[in-house]
Amino acid sequence: DAKTTQPPSMDCAEGRAANLPCNHSTISGNEYVYWYRQIHSQGPQYIIHGLKNNETNEMASLIITEDRKSSTLILPHATLRDTAVYYCIVRVSGNFNKFYFGSGTKLNVKP
Amino acid sequence: DGGITQSPKYLFRKEGQNVTLSCEQNLNHDAMYWYRQDPGQGLRLIYYSQIVNDFQKGDIAEGYSVSREKKESFPLTVTSAQKNPTAFYLCASIKGNYGYTFGSGTRLTVV
Repeated sequence: DAKTTQPPSMDCAEGRAANLPCNHSTISGNEYVYWYRQIHSQGPQYIIHGLKNNETNEMASLIITEDRKSSTLILPHATLRDTAVYYCIVRVSGNFNKFYFGSGTKLNVKP
Repeated sequence: DGGITQSPKYLFRKEGQNVTLSCEQNLNHDAMYWYRQDPGQGLRLIYYSQIVNDFQKGDIAEGYSVSREKKESFPLTVTSAQKNPTAFYLCASIKGNYGYTFGSGTRLTVV
């Protein structure tokens, strides 16, 4: 599975949109992009995933570039409770083999 | 509600002692995983299992052992051979194209 690159930290004002980037330049055509977040001392929580189309759910939106080499997770109205580490990973659908969580992006939402 | 249960939440180990961390899931998921997380770091894969009675080493398997006698259970033993076991341990499971479901973690400390 392809590796990902994320900035180590970002700040966002409460109520504003948080846009978290992820680079996955070696992604293959059958690899999905997944986003998780981890609030301190808890297990990571699934947010959203997609293959090539943009996706939206009640938590966030996922924008994947046309060449699929990068993506952006958008939290439309960040709250203080969104402060967490956000992980972007890629994996092949139905592949139960190992895949990698990097160090993620620490999002700090400030009042 | 279905989910993953890890126990105990906190565990203290003496030098040279083996300890076993419990992970149980009632999601009917096929694959299960153990990750280790050190402070300020991402998740590193210890072991994973795709089916009952089968498991594979991850990136940092030395000093750990697992078993998968039942689909629902994937216990991790931290042996005395693991020289630096103090960490946060996360268990996860997955089915098909869906993302991981994580447990709430076990924090192991050597005293």
